[in-house]
Amino acid sequence: EPEVTQTPSHQVTQMGQEVILRCVPISNHLYFYWYRQILGQKVEFLVSFYNNEISEKSEIFDDQFSVERPDGSNFTLKIRSTKLEDSAMYFCASRQGVNYGYTFGSGTRLTVV
Amino acid sequence: GENVEQHPSTLSVQEGDSAVIKCTYSDSASNYFPWYKQELGKGPQLIIDIRSNVGEKKDQRIAVTLNKTAKHFSLHITETQPEDSAVYFCAASHNNNDMRFGAGTRLTVKP
Repeated sequence: EPEVTQTPSHQVTQMGQEVILRCVPISNHLYFYWYRQILGQKVEFLVSFYNNEISEKSEIFDDQFSVERPDGSNFTLKIRSTKLEDSAMYFCASRQGVNYGYTFGSGTRLTVV
Repeated sequence: GENVEQHPSTLSVQEGDSAVIKCTYSDSASNYFPWYKQELGKGPQLIIDIRSNVGEKKDQRIAVTLNKTAKHFSLHITETQPEDSAVYFCAASHNNNDMRFGAGTRLTVKP
């Protein structure tokens, strides 16, 4: 069964450093998402991406965040200057179309120290 | 935007009993309501979903009901097994609007 692949599975970074989280969505999917989950809390929407542009973003997704689909397969989330409170699991998801469910990756655990 | 409330936050049942998790949503335009199961260290996995043109959907031991008038939907798990133990999330979305999750319910099934 096709999967959404995320790398790395765990990243530790120092406060103030830039990180890039990588995702390879399912190949025929058109809609891409990033969500985050702070330990023990709900899954929170960050951003959606369709047709090579951001279609919606939450209040969490401030100027420190950016997304990119640099080629036909990767979908990245960049955090420019990490803060302690950015520590969380970050999930990438994709879906084929508006009437289809989301497929989530296994997540990247980001730890900011 | 959409706001999804989920109850209870924790639920403990004996193996073989039923479990019910309830969610409410705020946006009457929402028309797609999935349920996800999250096991430790993994991403959410879709287990069942329902669309607003349907009031109930069943898949083996799992069923979901939707009351559009009251803007609430529920997950029912019958004959629970220890492997059903996980965190369950409800979610709501409207077509191109992006999915919003409930806070999650940690279900523990005691053998």
